[in-house]
Amino acid sequence: EAGVTQFPSHSVIEKGQTVTLRCDPISGHDNLYWYRRVMGKEIKFLLHFVKESKQDESGMPNNRFLAERTGGTYSTLKVQPAELEDSGVYFCASSQDFPPRTNEKLFFGSGTQLSVL
Amino acid sequence: EDKVVQSPLSLVVHEGDTVTLNCSYEVTNFRSLLWYKQEKKAPTFLFMLTSSGIEKKSGRLSSILDKKELFSILNITATQTGDSAVYLCAVGTDSNYQLIWGAGTKLIIKP
Repeated sequence: EAGVTQFPSHSVIEKGQTVTLRCDPISGHDNLYWYRRVMGKEIKFLLHFVKESKQDESGMPNNRFLAERTGGTYSTLKVQPAELEDSGVYFCASSQDFPPRTNEKLFFGSGTQLSVL
Repeated sequence: EDKVVQSPLSLVVHEGDTVTLNCSYEVTNFRSLLWYKQEKKAPTFLFMLTSSGIEKKSGRLSSILDKKELFSILNITATQTGDSAVYLCAVGTDSNYQLIWGAGTKLIIKP
């Protein structure tokens, strides 16, 4: 069974540019989450999809971040325009359990290392 | 504000040693505590703890939760170089669907 896959694994962009990260969850997982880890700090929640709907986007830093999950399959996270403080590792995770309150066991992707110069 | 604190931040030991990693938390509506191991890539699930005093064990790894004192420990016995990783602790609450993460403990096992 394929795991959670993320693309790209690394991205280096200049301040002001746009970057789009992609996450393919495990097939059949309705719940998809985005997390971010800034170097040296703890992982922070960004948002949670249940199928194609945004269940909780309270962790999104600001309106430069846009997440979508068309059709309830893969998800994209776009940062436009990118700023220096957006640098970090962006993790995607998925889980099968529904309703989403039983989301404890998450399957993580390998992350996208984003560097904004 | 909910928070999870892990200690130590980093630890270097020799193969064969036993290590204990700590995770303390202050959250409202505690539901569960999870341990993950992160090597170079994706964090991988180790344990989920919901009840106090019940040890979970997997090979050389074990973990226990104390809901009165609000902490958990992760023990690794007879450490091996393959145990080198960042160990992450996260707490789930009944308040929302988010996990609250600690900053992790970086464990380095020297041969």
